[in-house]
Amino acid sequence: QSALTQPASVSGSPGQSITISCTGTSSDVGGYNYVSWYQHHPGKAPKLMIYEVSNRPSGVSNRFSGSKSGNTASLTISGLQAEDEADYYCSSYTSGTTPWVFGGGTKLTVL
Amino acid sequence: QLQLQESGPGLVKPSETLSLTCTVSDGSISSGAYYWGWIRQSPGKGLEWIGSVYYSGNTYYNASLKSRVTISVDTSKNQFSLMLSSVTAADTAVYYCARRRSGRNLFDYWGQGTLVTVSS
Repeated sequence: QSALTQPASVSGSPGQSITISCTGTSSDVGGYNYVSWYQHHPGKAPKLMIYEVSNRPSGVSNRFSGSKSGNTASLTISGLQAEDEADYYCSSYTSGTTPWVFGGGTKLTVL
Repeated sequence: QLQLQESGPGLVKPSETLSLTCTVSDGSISSGAYYWGWIRQSPGKGLEWIGSVYYSGNTYYNASLKSRVTISVDTSKNQFSLMLSSVTAADTAVYYCARRRSGRNLFDYWGQGTLVTVSS
């Protein structure tokens, strides 16, 4: 069982927007602005998409955005494209026994 | 662009030691700006941070694995390695190597991952 809770799957049609949630506790997501999101196409290296809740690394499309409210962080992808179909993982710094925890991953299907 | 590539046996027997190496290309592992680490994903489960190493050799481990984990760095080969002892089936996972910026809580480059199966 993962420390952070994500929906197992979400789906959307091309051009639509979707949001993936990531729920933790006040010891991780809620306590720090250190949430990051990773995109993973099977067989490829995971890619950093969002860091520190809402910042995009250079080269990441502005269709990807992040936010946080309380103990829940969210990744929103607008203008869905076929290439967005992938697994998405959230991560947070934590005051627990390990510095970083991850979510179980969400499979995004572009219909 | 920086690349990380994991290598090592894909099959390890129970009670033996899992050993993996991550080779860093198009970037120096000796940069003081980064930590180099390992993250794994067991079948059907989420990601788990295993530990990190600095180019100087300083290491940081997940408390739940600390007694069995050793991460080391070889700056001359631009590589870092993972050893996990006394493995069981629960250690079957895809193992990723990844880079973390010093002082930041993000992993900005990852390897493709390598599947290690623990089985007799």
